[in-house]
Amino acid sequence: DQQVKQNSPSLSVQEGRISILNCDYTNSMFDYFLWYKKYPAEGPTFLISISSIKDKNEDGRFTVFLNKSAKHLSLHIVPSQPGDSAVYFCAASPFLPKFYFGSGTKLNVKP
Amino acid sequence: ETGVTQTPRHLVMGMTNKKSLKCEQHLGHNAMYWYKQSAKKPLELMFVYNFKEQTENNSVPSRFSPECPNSSHLFLHLHTLQPEDSALYLCASSQVPGANEKLFFGSGTQLSVL
Repeated sequence: DQQVKQNSPSLSVQEGRISILNCDYTNSMFDYFLWYKKYPAEGPTFLISISSIKDKNEDGRFTVFLNKSAKHLSLHIVPSQPGDSAVYFCAASPFLPKFYFGSGTKLNVKP
Repeated sequence: ETGVTQTPRHLVMGMTNKKSLKCEQHLGHNAMYWYKQSAKKPLELMFVYNFKEQTENNSVPSRFSPECPNSSHLFLHLHTLQPEDSALYLCASSQVPGANEKLFFGSGTQLSVL
């Protein structure tokens, strides 16, 4: 059973606007959440993370929000740039060294 | 060279072939992982090694055989694969297993089984 879900397989946004990527999880033992970005023919690269003791973490244009009661997190990209076009994976981890990934959302930022 | 390096980048093999995927990390990490990425599916964890010891086998068929001779190298030996095994195989590493660690991925091996 899939414990991390990204229900939107794709998202298209105009350059300069906000991109919001969503992720839901089912396991209440998850206490650390990450976002990865993947370009074609490359491995995923770490983007931003958040611990369950926080509800927001910001790094430049990227902000991750965590709503533990709803078991939901989101990644906001403001402003979106064409170079942000990639597949974004949400991941979650309990204390153990296991990472569970969603199926990804393909973001297309139009110039 | 830095990061996580995987070879080969592409591999085409028949169902009766035997091949191996190689991964090397230059980050001083102690945990290494194999993930499988099929189209439009989540990354599937296959194996985890902590300090060269296998700590996770996620019900992977025996036609996939991992080997971790040291903390820097990880292999995935393949034999009698099926066409449905065609996927992107990703190696990753992380620092000493624990809380709030992140994975560093290689570029992957795109495998096609004919």
